[in-house]
Amino acid sequence: DQQVKQNSPSLSVQEGRISILNCDYTNSMFDYFLWYKKYPAEGPTFLISISSIKDKNEDGRFTVFLNKSAKHLSLHIVPSQPGDSAVYFCAASAAGNQFYFGTGTSLTVIP
Amino acid sequence: SAVISQKPSRDICQRGTSLTIQCQVDSQVTMMFWYRQQPGQSLTLIATANQGSEATYESGFVIDKFPISRPNLTFSTLTVSNMSPEDSSIYLCSVLSGVAQYFGPGTRLLVL
Repeated sequence: DQQVKQNSPSLSVQEGRISILNCDYTNSMFDYFLWYKKYPAEGPTFLISISSIKDKNEDGRFTVFLNKSAKHLSLHIVPSQPGDSAVYFCAASAAGNQFYFGTGTSLTVIP
Repeated sequence: SAVISQKPSRDICQRGTSLTIQCQVDSQVTMMFWYRQQPGQSLTLIATANQGSEATYESGFVIDKFPISRPNLTFSTLTVSNMSPEDSSIYLCSVLSGVAQYFGPGTRLLVL
């Protein structure tokens, strides 16, 4: 049973525009969410996180939004750069326990 | 954060053999995790390796197939035993540090 879902396997965006990656979850006990970025032949790298007590967290070009009532979170990248092309995973955990990962969205930023 | 290294980075193995993957962390951590990522799939947790106790395996993974060692707080090994082509995957070591999980670079395994 997939508790964290990323329904878009791929996304293409023009350089300079906004990239929006979406993630849905089913477990209402999840209280901490993360986004990871993964380049080919490398392990995932931690990008940004958000706690359930917030609805927005921003770090430079990256902003994560959390909608608890909809059990939905999104990652906004603006402006998008070619170096942002990678696979993005969202992950969620409850009370500091194991993280559950989505299946990933492959982002391509077109120069 | 934590810096994690894995050995080997990749290997090609014959069916029926075993491979041990090593994971080294630059700081002491309580919880270490082993994941598998098969082509087109998400990260699947194999087991949680805690120092001083036996590893905890997720549904679908058993100790006989994936024995894990955790001799100290900075090191762990995962063995993929009696390999078959279905075991071809990327195997990732991960640690919990602070409020995030950090991943090693992965071991890319191909079983012929």
